[in-house]
Amino acid sequence: DAGVIQSPRHEVTEMGQEVTLRCKPISGHNSLFWYRQTMMRGLELLIYFNNNVPIDDSGMPEDRFSAKMPNASFSTLKIQPSEPRDSAVYFCASSLAGTGYEQYFGPGTRLTVT
Amino acid sequence: SQQGEEDPQALSIQEGENATMNCSYKTSINNLQWYRQNSGRGLVHLILIRSNEREKHSGRLRVTLDTSKKSSSLLITASRAADTASYFCATDAGTASKLTFGTGTRLQVTL
Repeated sequence: DAGVIQSPRHEVTEMGQEVTLRCKPISGHNSLFWYRQTMMRGLELLIYFNNNVPIDDSGMPEDRFSAKMPNASFSTLKIQPSEPRDSAVYFCASSLAGTGYEQYFGPGTRLTVT
Repeated sequence: SQQGEEDPQALSIQEGENATMNCSYKTSINNLQWYRQNSGRGLVHLILIRSNEREKHSGRLRVTLDTSKKSSSLLITASRAADTASYFCATDAGTASKLTFGTGTRLQVTL
């Protein structure tokens, strides 16, 4: 099993540009999570999906952030327009739905907005 | 907001020593998990303990859970340089898949 796949691994962009992060969860997992990690704020849950449906997006910072999951094997997190304060490592994770299941994390996308 | 708070924030020990990290949380939980994060990598699941369990072992790892004090500890015995990483506790409640992660403990194991 390839694990959770994220792309790109690194992204450098200028303020105001649109950024799209991509995630492929582990096959058979029906929960998908997007996290953001910074030194200042630690690991924050942005949004999660169950069976492709967004369940909790209370962690999404503002309207500039949007996430979609068009099918069970693909999700995107989009930032438009990007700002320097969005610089962080963004992780995608997947698991089986429900409590008591471990989450499998991807390698992350390191985003730098200049 | 983060429910778990790890203590200490950073820990430095020598190889062969034991490392103990603590986690406190605020609300009732179903399960508590511990994860490890090596620098520049994603988190990796280590162990899960259910709310009706008090202690669990996995190799050199020992986890305890005290629901009356809303706290958990992770003990790594006979530490190795490869154990150098950040360690996070995570809790879940209700029926949701969502985990709430703590602030993490950075462990440095020196030769």
